[in-house]
Amino acid sequence: DTAVSQTPKYLVTQMGNDKSIKCEQNLGHDTMYWYKQDSKKFLKIMFSYNNKELIINETVPNRFSPKSPDKAHLNLHINSLELGDSAVYFCASSPRSTGPGGNQPQHFGDGTRLSIL
Amino acid sequence: AQKITQTQPGMFVQEKEAVTLDCTYDTSDQSYGLFWYKQPSSGEMIFLIYQGSYDEQNATEGRYSLNFQKARKSANLVISASQLGDSAMYFCAMREVYFTGGGNKLTFGTGTQLKVEL
Repeated sequence: DTAVSQTPKYLVTQMGNDKSIKCEQNLGHDTMYWYKQDSKKFLKIMFSYNNKELIINETVPNRFSPKSPDKAHLNLHINSLELGDSAVYFCASSPRSTGPGGNQPQHFGDGTRLSIL
Repeated sequence: AQKITQTQPGMFVQEKEAVTLDCTYDTSDQSYGLFWYKQPSSGEMIFLIYQGSYDEQNATEGRYSLNFQKARKSANLVISASQLGDSAMYFCAMREVYFTGGGNKLTFGTGTQLKVEL
């Protein structure tokens, strides 16, 4: 009965490879997100999709391409992996916001720890 | 742009004592939401508590309460009766809404590592 699930949990790969991380939510939420947590634990949004439509792209390199086949899934594909891509990537979901004061939290997956060798 | 500041990189507290984790924010918006998340060493992000900018009362959720001082732009998390399992990283975050498309994002602080000691 996991609410937001990401696979894989760990990903170790060589520089230059292409990899994907999958995310699925069963909460019925309209909006999904990808966040990156760096080695200093700082969390920053990368992308947000609302009902399969990209609405936030926070100056992420073109090597990162999110894909949302339906509103319950948001996958992240990364091309030509670089050392600086090593991080923990979190998927999250929330109901469509009714305003900045909306009280619905974002629910996070357990994260995918990506290590580039 | 919104900004969240957590000035305590690390905190220690004795078991059963209360602890306050500081969070200040900067925004020009009148309507905003403030959240606290807990990240244990296992890595997952756990939602703890929410405070809306128009809420007149401080939020409470079990042993967690939020000391919201709007004029000072602070939203400190208070954990009462600390337990060993409270040892974790704690993040304060603010919701920013993108009205186009109905999206929103969370801007996070740098976190406070809390260690509960016997």
